[in-house]
Amino acid sequence: GDSVTQMEGPVTLSEEAFLTINCTYTATGYPSLFWYVQYPGEGLQLLLKATKADDKGSNKGFEATYRKETTSFHLEKGSVQVSDSAVYFCALMHQAGTALIFGKGTTLSVSS
Amino acid sequence: SQTIHQWPATLVQPVGSPLSLECTVEGTSNPNLYWYRQAAGRGLQLLFYSVGIGQISSEVPQNLSASRPQDRQFILSSKKLLLSDSGFYLCAWTGSDTQYFGPGTRLTVL
Repeated sequence: GDSVTQMEGPVTLSEEAFLTINCTYTATGYPSLFWYVQYPGEGLQLLLKATKADDKGSNKGFEATYRKETTSFHLEKGSVQVSDSAVYFCALMHQAGTALIFGKGTTLSVSS
Repeated sequence: SQTIHQWPATLVQPVGSPLSLECTVEGTSNPNLYWYRQAAGRGLQLLFYSVGIGQISSEVPQNLSASRPQDRQFILSSKKLLLSDSGFYLCAWTGSDTQYFGPGTRLTVL
């Protein structure tokens, strides 16, 4: 069945460092791919998404490119801030309107 | 615009007590609705989803149940809580090929 694998955390960075969180997926066809962020004690917020191969999703300085050939959707940010500290979830939606399949989440901690 | 509400925000219940968590969506009609659970230090587990009033699909057999009495209302229930039911419960709806989440309910079973 479909699945999402993302790098184990925690990821600890200093402010202004470059961030990469790896995400790969297994699915038939062409799922939509998502990154969600969860701040402490809160629900999940959509960070960015991509719906077809080679699409790049971007938001708040974060980017991820849908790579069909490597079945990947890695999250990147050029310069992280303390306020980026959160848990990041990679997810796929195989068909519009169906449930998301999530990775296990990666905790990011940014220090000043 | 669409908004999703969950209540209560936090709940502490004794083992064996009943449970009722409520989720409502505003600003859309006939949404697909979902209940997820996030246990401490773990990822999200899909519990139930609904494509319409009275239509519930269960993903994980357990002592929880769900109901959808109205188009934009989704309820998660239990007759007798277990310690393992502790966690963060998230309601979500799907629109425009994207899923949107509520603020969550933190449930602690003692």
